[in-house]
Parts: sequence; structure tokens; C-alpha cells
Amino acid sequence: EAGVVQSPRYKIIEKKQPVAFWCNPISGHNTLYWYLQNLGQGPELLIRYENEEAVDDSQLPKDRFSAERLKGVDSTLKIQPAELGDSAVYLCASSLEGRGLTFGPGTRLTVL
Amino acid sequence: AQSVTQPDIHITVSEGASLELRCNYSYGATPYLFWYVQSPGQGLQLLLKYFSGDTLVQGIKGFEAEFKRSQSSFNLRKPSVHWSDAAEYFCAVGVNDYKLSFGAGTTVTVRA
Repeated sequence: EAGVVQSPRYKIIEKKQPVAFWCNPISGHNTLYWYLQNLGQGPELLIRYENEEAVDDSQLPKDRFSAERLKGVDSTLKIQPAELGDSAVYLCASSLEGRGLTFGPGTRLTVL
Repeated sequence: AQSVTQPDIHITVSEGASLELRCNYSYGATPYLFWYVQSPGQGLQLLLKYFSGDTLVQGIKGFEAEFKRSQSSFNLRKPSVHWSDAAEYFCAVGVNDYKLSFGAGTTVTVRA
């Protein structure tokens, strides 16, 4: 089966610019996650979707970050405006209940 | 809240030698435990998981892990490492199979 697809793989932007990341989960996986991974650290959950509903967004900085999962399939994570501290890898993952998470390759964001 | 500690930031091991990566967790009940591996530029790949039952868990790529409740540990082992095992390894603990907290990771270097 195809894995979790993310694009772009790399993104370099100037601070204060907007940026968006896209994720296509594994077909049939109803749960989708966005994780943030800073250099030298483990991933931290930003938001979790069950189908199209955001069921856990407590760690999402809502002043600048937003996410959506239209039709309960693909998802987009947006940052507006980006700050220097947002430089990190943004990981998308999906899961089917009881089978653990499958991660995508991530988007490496550099904010200059 | 659950938390994970991986005491070793970096381990160097000779090819063919055994490998053990330590993971200690803090959680009030029996947790869901996972080990993931991340190669450079790649997403996280699930090596193995423990939910219940036999405390010695077999995973992919010849890895195994043992859950020791008395020590709050879930150490990962491999009897004979290959050069392709060089990567970063993350232990994760969850209240279920999707609400995970990750450790900071252990980088494994394999020397010839």
C-alpha cells in the first residue's frame, strides 16, 4: 500500500511569510495527525483528526497555526505568519485503530 | 501525564555487535509502548509495540524489546547490528495507541 504522502519535502521562506503543508494519509485511515519535530528532539503532537473533526488541538498555537481536513481525507497545515522559531520538521501520520501510527517523510521548514 | 526518557543521546557500536537502547517511562497505568526508527530524511517507521501480554516483543529488522513493569522500562535490543541500522531511535509511550509522547531519541552510529 502507498504510505503517507507529504509535500513539499523542503520549504525555505522569509519570516512573516505564510506557508502551507499538505498531507495525504493512507487510504482508509480515519485518524490523521500533525506532529512537530524540532532538531534533536522527538515529535510533539500538534493536532489529531478523527475523520474531518479535530478531536485534539490543544497543542496547536492557534494564533498563527491552522489546519483543516476536508472530507476526512487530505489535510493542510498552515502557518501565518511564520517566525524564526517555526523552523522544524512537520510530520504527518495516520492510523487505523489499534495498529499504531504510520508517519510520512515530513516537511523540513526553514524560516530565514 | 506520561513521559519518556531515553538516557543515551548517542551510541556507537561495531557492526556485528549487540545493541541495547534504553527507555524509561512515567505513567500511572500500564502504558502502550512503541519503538520507532528514523533514518536521515525519512519519516518514523514503527519497529515494534507493546500493549499487553508477553513482555518480550518481537519487531521488524531483527529487533526485540522487553517490558519491565518493575523498572518502568522498555529497552530495545538487537543481537547483531548491521550498517543499515545506523539511524535515530525513538521510544514512545501512550495512554492508548495514538496519544503518544516521544523521547528525545538515541542516535546510533555503526562502525565497520
